[in-house]
Amino acid sequence: QQQVKQSPQSLIVQKGGISIINCAYENTAFDYFPWYQQFPGKGPALLIAIRPDVSEKKEGRFTISFNKSAKQFSLHIMDSQPGDSATYFCAASPEETSGSRLTFGEGTQLTVNP
Amino acid sequence: DAGITQSPRHKVTETGTPVTLRCHQTENHRYMYWYRQDPGHGLRLIHYSYGVKDTDKGEVSDGYSVSRSKTEDFLLTLESATSSQTSVYFCAIRDSRGQPQHFGDGTRLSIL
Repeated sequence: QQQVKQSPQSLIVQKGGISIINCAYENTAFDYFPWYQQFPGKGPALLIAIRPDVSEKKEGRFTISFNKSAKQFSLHIMDSQPGDSATYFCAASPEETSGSRLTFGEGTQLTVNP
Repeated sequence: DAGITQSPRHKVTETGTPVTLRCHQTENHRYMYWYRQDPGHGLRLIHYSYGVKDTDKGEVSDGYSVSRSKTEDFLLTLESATSSQTSVYFCAIRDSRGQPQHFGDGTRLSIL
């Protein structure tokens, strides 16, 4: 079963707009939540990550919002640029056990139009 | 980029043949992982290793085996390939607890 649900499957945003991708998880043992960005022909690359002791983390134009009680977290991309067009994956793991095995969401294909 | 090399990058083979994919790292990281990526499923863990000769199963391990005889190499073997194993395979490495996983650029495997 899919323990991390991601939405939407695809997203089209105009340049300068805000892109929002949402994820929900089930396993309360998860305590590390990274987001990966993937370009065609490449492997996923870590974009930003959060642990549940904070509700928000910002790095440049990228922000993760985390709601522990709702078991949800989201990625916000401010001032979206055509170069942000990629597939984004949320993931979760129980960091200190099970080899920190990541469980991934299904992915969101983001297109930013010029 | 993390020092991860996957080989081959592309392979086409026939059902029933054995296939071995290689992941080589130059970072001396303890943990290594094999994932497969399929549309609508994201990435799913096949097997992982937490040290030389120490491996464990992931969520989609049936039909796959792994070996790690050296820190730098993690091999994924399909003993008898099936069409359902057509996928893109990614290797990842991780140094220690609290550190993120870094991915290679993948192997595209087609089984006809």
